[in-house]
Amino acid sequence: DTEVTQTPKHLVMGMTNKKSLKCEQHMGHRAMYWYKQKAKKPPELMFVYSYEKLSINESVPSRFSPECPNSSLLNLHLHALQPEDSALYLCASSQEQRYEQYFGPGTRLTVT
Amino acid sequence: QQQVKQSPQSLIVQKGGISIINCAYENTAFDYFPWYQQFPGKGPALLIAIRPDVSEKKEGRFTISFNKSAKQFSLHIMDSQPGDSATYFCAAHQTPGGGNKLTFGTGTQLKVEL
Repeated sequence: DTEVTQTPKHLVMGMTNKKSLKCEQHMGHRAMYWYKQKAKKPPELMFVYSYEKLSINESVPSRFSPECPNSSLLNLHLHALQPEDSALYLCASSQEQRYEQYFGPGTRLTVT
Repeated sequence: QQQVKQSPQSLIVQKGGISIINCAYENTAFDYFPWYQQFPGKGPALLIAIRPDVSEKKEGRFTISFNKSAKQFSLHIMDSQPGDSATYFCAAHQTPGGGNKLTFGTGTQLKVEL
């Protein structure tokens, strides 16, 4: 099973709201990733967690706050977002020493 | 140095034809080259991947050709079907100094017509 699940599928939030995106995998993967994807563009890496510790932050604004509560779960906390943050947010996972990353279906975020 | 250049941006192929998408890179530290297929509103799905010590890999109708000296690789879709209509991304992986990062190409929108 190579399934990564993400909730919610769609999210609309105002610029003053606080919301969270959730990602879950049960493949025993120890690396998890957050990507942002704009229409007709490739995914852009935001964060990488390795063994539940943040290993890469691609200079993402602090209004995005990742959290890895355990090896199966990854959250992305959102606060005071801007309309330009509207995008598809993708979660992915991989075995730590392997290269294949498996993506979830994404959360379509709209900031109004 | 970190870029992966992908072409064409869009491609229309007749059903049963061969679809060819090309990618080129500069960073010789890349050590793994996957292709992802993405349908509208879905996440990218890993399609096929190759390591630089192999010149060709085939899985069903999908083949990757890899030219290490030219730093180029390509995806060939044989007997293209309308269900193959999607956006295809090539990517390149860099370890450990790259921290398990994938660098994606810009994407190719493939349309297979009847």
